[in-house]
Amino acid sequence: EADIYQTPRYLVIGTGKKITLECSQTMGHDKMYWYQQDPGMELHLIHYSYGVNSTEKGDLSSESTVSRIRTEHFPLTLESARPSHTSQYLCASSPTRDRAYEQYFGPGTRLTVT
Amino acid sequence: GQQLNQSPQSMFIQEGEDVSMNCTSSSIFNTWLWYKQDPGEGPVLLIALYKAGELTSNGRLTAQFGITRKDSFLNISASIPSDVGIYFCAGRTKTSYDKVIFGPGTSLSVIP
Repeated sequence: EADIYQTPRYLVIGTGKKITLECSQTMGHDKMYWYQQDPGMELHLIHYSYGVNSTEKGDLSSESTVSRIRTEHFPLTLESARPSHTSQYLCASSPTRDRAYEQYFGPGTRLTVT
Repeated sequence: GQQLNQSPQSMFIQEGEDVSMNCTSSSIFNTWLWYKQDPGEGPVLLIALYKAGELTSNGRLTAQFGITRKDSFLNISASIPSDVGIYFCAGRTKTSYDKVIFGPGTSLSVIP
């Protein structure tokens, strides 16, 4: 069973607020990812990281930012939340070598911006 | 860009029936992955495939890496109510590097 955690699980917040979604994994994985997913729809990669101090933008443009100061921690920040940011945000990690493309997902954060 | 197509988009079956779904692309894939997502949860990895023609089982689930490298199949035998969810295929091509491309999903409903 994958050990990857996301908090909060649910968040309802007003427009203009700054929010940080937390993601932590205890598997020692170097690679971590953030996906955005609308209910029942496909996953869109918004950020990824190969390791500490490495961050890259994904295929879907996002106004969020990420940081990777520690291997186990990959938080995502929205400086000013808008209703268009309402979605589910999924964090994932994968090992570097063996089975490097097998991504393990957290439970997700469902964000609603009013 | 590279895209994955999944069919069927949704299916309703009776408990005990077998299920087949597939994933296709116009690009050649080096890795195929199958995930299941329950409502309100993150996807869970079911099966990973690494070689053309490879057939791998995980309990009642069996997946195959298509011989053309452009498709993959997932079968579920003797379905049960907890099989309900969305099944995503995902894969990696030579040019997607470390990124994995996800399909749009197949929604499975099981009627008791």
